[in-house]
Amino acid sequence: DARVTQTPRHKVTEMGQEVTMRCQPILGHNTVFWYRQTMMQGLELLAYFRNRAPLDDSGMPKDRFSAEMPDATLATLKIQPSEPRDSAVYFCASGSPDRDGTDTQYFGPGTRLTVL
Amino acid sequence: EDKVVQSPLSLVVHEGDTVTLNCSYEVTNFRSLLWYKQEKKAPTFLFMLTSSGIEKKSGRLSSILDKKELFSILNITATQTGDSAVYLCAATHRGSTLGRLYFGRGTQLTVWP
Repeated sequence: DARVTQTPRHKVTEMGQEVTMRCQPILGHNTVFWYRQTMMQGLELLAYFRNRAPLDDSGMPKDRFSAEMPDATLATLKIQPSEPRDSAVYFCASGSPDRDGTDTQYFGPGTRLTVL
Repeated sequence: EDKVVQSPLSLVVHEGDTVTLNCSYEVTNFRSLLWYKQEKKAPTFLFMLTSSGIEKKSGRLSSILDKKELFSILNITATQTGDSAVYLCAATHRGSTLGRLYFGRGTQLTVWP
């Protein structure tokens, strides 16, 4: 049963600390998306990659957020320094819209981040 | 600017009722519309629609797309308490941002026993 996995599932940290979230996309998927979800803003796209190359990171605050795909099985989202307003659930999703003819994305379980 | 609007924002019904959730979209170079269900965790995929007028069905859930009027509906018949969730719709378009989902804010459905 192929799934997107994310670690950690929960993270509590203090303002100013670095936070790294990891995602393993479904094997064979070539597009990886990072989302943030809050009650106020709903589900927002932060960045996404195709074949490990960044396609769009316009939704991401560039001064403190960075996203990378060091290899096809790992995507990372880093916040440095973290702030209380970054508290949210961060989802990773994967799919292969250009190859499979479907736009379906499969979401990981999310990382619930709390910045004190 | 691409946007997706869902209505109503929230809905409370009793078990056995039928509900219709609405999603309108304005997306350049439209390709597909997707519905997701989100309980207290990650969104799970329900349907993807690309053609007008063709109903997709899964059990008590069904959905249809109208590309002329730029909207989709999600119907749930004989609702159960397990249908309580946020239902999200999202639109995609062709071109360089292929696969990017533009999400609406969702409809919070609560089904009372």
